[in-house]
Amino acid sequence: GEDVEQSLFLSVREGDSSVINCTYTDSSSTYLYWYKQEPGAGLQLLTYIFSNMDMKQDQRLTVLLNKKDKHLSLRIADTQTGDSAIYFCAETRNYGGSQGNLIFGKGTKLSVKP
Amino acid sequence: DAGITQSPRHKVTETGTPVTLRCHQTENHRYMYWYRQDPGHGLRLIHYSYGVKDTDKGEVSDGYSVSRSKTEDFLLTLESATSSQTSVYFCAISYQGYDEQYFGPGTRLTVT
Repeated sequence: GEDVEQSLFLSVREGDSSVINCTYTDSSSTYLYWYKQEPGAGLQLLTYIFSNMDMKQDQRLTVLLNKKDKHLSLRIADTQTGDSAIYFCAETRNYGGSQGNLIFGKGTKLSVKP
Repeated sequence: DAGITQSPRHKVTETGTPVTLRCHQTENHRYMYWYRQDPGHGLRLIHYSYGVKDTDKGEVSDGYSVSRSKTEDFLLTLESATSSQTSVYFCAISYQGYDEQYFGPGTRLTVT
């Protein structure tokens, strides 16, 4: 099937904003998600956006959704070294049966330099 | 990790041996999932369950089987492990099929 696309790497300086981009495939996806994975750990849900929204803000995180272009972005304001991690976007997609499942991008590794 | 545990956390086994990984949840969520994570492939769905004794295949189900006899436990079995199954395996749960998923800490499996 078609892939959820993300750039693999992003490097920023501490205090700058980070923008992680994602292109998804299923225009009928109801929710789109951002997850964070720190080394040696599982995925942690960061935030999500419902498909009828254009933007969602949650403290330092801003999610933008462009349904026409199937483009999702995550902006992290005032990026800190603790934000260094891999970030995954995910879309909901019907996979077999009638159950929706999450399809993940390959992840963007964010490196924050002091 | 939202009341999700995985066991074992690390395992080394030999090619051809059977292996069972366990996922246990205390959230009473209906849906449970098994993923594998490999460099260059991201997360890929192996199998999922939408209720006790109700399971279905995911993207990469060949060589794997699952069972769910209780709401809280979801087992992943490699009947005869191969080196291509060396990976990190994650369990996840969700309340409904389209809801956000919560992940366990992972099991690192090495097949020699």
